[in-house]
Amino acid sequence: GAGVSQSPSNKVTEKGKDVELRCDPISGHTALYWYRQSLGQGLEFLIYFQGNSAPDKSGLPSDRFSAERTGGSVSTLTIQRTQQEDSAVYLCASSLAGPETQYFGPGTRLLVL
Amino acid sequence: AQSVTQLGSHVSVSEGALVLLRCNYSSSVPPYLFWYVQYPNQGLQLLLKYTSAATLVKGINGFEAEFKKSETSFHLTKPSAHMSDAAEYFCAVSPSGSARQLTFGSGTQLTVLP
Repeated sequence: GAGVSQSPSNKVTEKGKDVELRCDPISGHTALYWYRQSLGQGLEFLIYFQGNSAPDKSGLPSDRFSAERTGGSVSTLTIQRTQQEDSAVYLCASSLAGPETQYFGPGTRLLVL
Repeated sequence: AQSVTQLGSHVSVSEGALVLLRCNYSSSVPPYLFWYVQYPNQGLQLLLKYTSAATLVKGINGFEAEFKKSETSFHLTKPSAHMSDAAEYFCAVSPSGSARQLTFGSGTQLTVLP
């Protein structure tokens, strides 16, 4: 079946602009995660959605970052007033409820000029 | 709280040689442990996972890892390296009993020499 998909695959933006990154999880997966992969910080957790529960936002680096998950499926990660240090690969993953394997999408490579 | 340490950011082996990638973890609760592989310009792919069943875990592509609680280790091995194994490998930990976020190590880039 289809895996986790993310769009766009690449995004170049200017400092100060807002960007939206999209994640389509595997159908039926109730848990959705966003991670960021950057040269300086490695792979770091950003936010976690589980069903209808309030999301775990403990990994968001600043209030410029936000995410939503509509209808328990598609998720959008929004970065407002982008900064150069936001340049990274943003990875989305999904899993079934419980301690199940997280399946990762191919990522969105964001470059802030 | 949990953390993961991967010893060696770069490892080179000859084709056909043993692959050993080291991972040590720290966790305040019984952990679940994972190894993921990332090929260039691709997402992460699960190699294997430990979830408190057998301590020796076999994964895809001939890889295996052994959970050693006394050593807080979860090293990844493969008896004979293949050129196609060249990639970056990440060890990760999550608290047992729930689908929670993964905490990743810094990664090990594996190079396979002909």
